Amino acid sequence: DIQMTQSPSSLSASVGDTVTITCRASQTVSRDLNWYQQKPGKAPNLLIYAASSLPSGVPSRFSGSGSGTDFTLTISSLQPEDFATYYCQQSSSTPTFGQGTKVEIK
Amino acid sequence: QVQVFQSPGEVKKPGASVKVSCKTSGYTFTSYGLSWLRQAPGQGLEWLGWISTYNGNTEYAENVRGRVAMTTETSTSTAYMELRSLRSDDTAVYYCARVSGGRSYLDNFDHWGQGTLITVTS
Repeated sequence: DIQMTQSPSSLSASVGDTVTITCRASQTVSRDLNWYQQKPGKAPNLLIYAASSLPSGVPSRFSGSGSGTDFTLTISSLQPEDFATYYCQQSSSTPTFGQGTKVEIK
Repeated sequence: QVQVFQSPGEVKKPGASVKVSCKTSGYTFTSYGLSWLRQAPGQGLEWLGWISTYNGNTEYAENVRGRVAMTTETSTSTAYMELRSLRSDDTAVYYCARVSGGRSYLDNFDHWGQGTLITVTS
C-alpha cells in the first residue's frame, strides 16, 4: 500500500494566519489526492479533491496544490471554524490516509 | 440532498460479530459505490473496503479480508458491513461513505455517515 506522510502532526495558529500542511506519498499518485477536514466527534468532510479542486460549498480560502508525491493544503486567513484535524488521502490505489494534522488555536 | 445515515453504536464481546447498516437517500443508489472506513479512538482513518451498489462487487482491505462482508439492499438504498471474530482492537467508529467516482472504489469520499461506535470488550 502507498504510505502517506503529513507534516506537521500539529500546529498552533491565530485567526487570520495562513497555514500550510504538506502530504508526501511513498510513490507517485499523480493528482489522485484528496483532503478532508474533521472536527471532534464528527465525520470527515471533503475539502479538496484531485489535488486542487474544491467541492461546492467549500470556502475559497482553502486551496490545494501538487502532483506526483508532494502535495500542499493551504488555508488563507484562518477562521475560528477552521480549527480541526486535516487528513490527506490518496485514491490512486487502495485508499490510504495520512496520519492527520491538528490545527489548534494559538 | 444526499444523506447517509448509520445504525447506532453497539457493545460486543470478543469473538462476536457486528452488522452495521448505512441508509442513503437523495440520489440514485446504484450510481455510486460505498466504502466503509473506521477510526480507532484518537487515531487516524483506515479504509476497510468498498461495494459496488451496481453489481455487488467488493474490494476488501487486506487486514480485514476474511472477517468482513459488505452487502447492499437496493430496494431500501441500504448498505451493510458485517465484521466477524471481533477483537478489542476492532473498537472504533465505523463510517460508510459514498465514493464520488461512480463505479470505481478509487476516488474521493464525498458524503459520509455520522459514524457508528463499535466497542469490543469482555
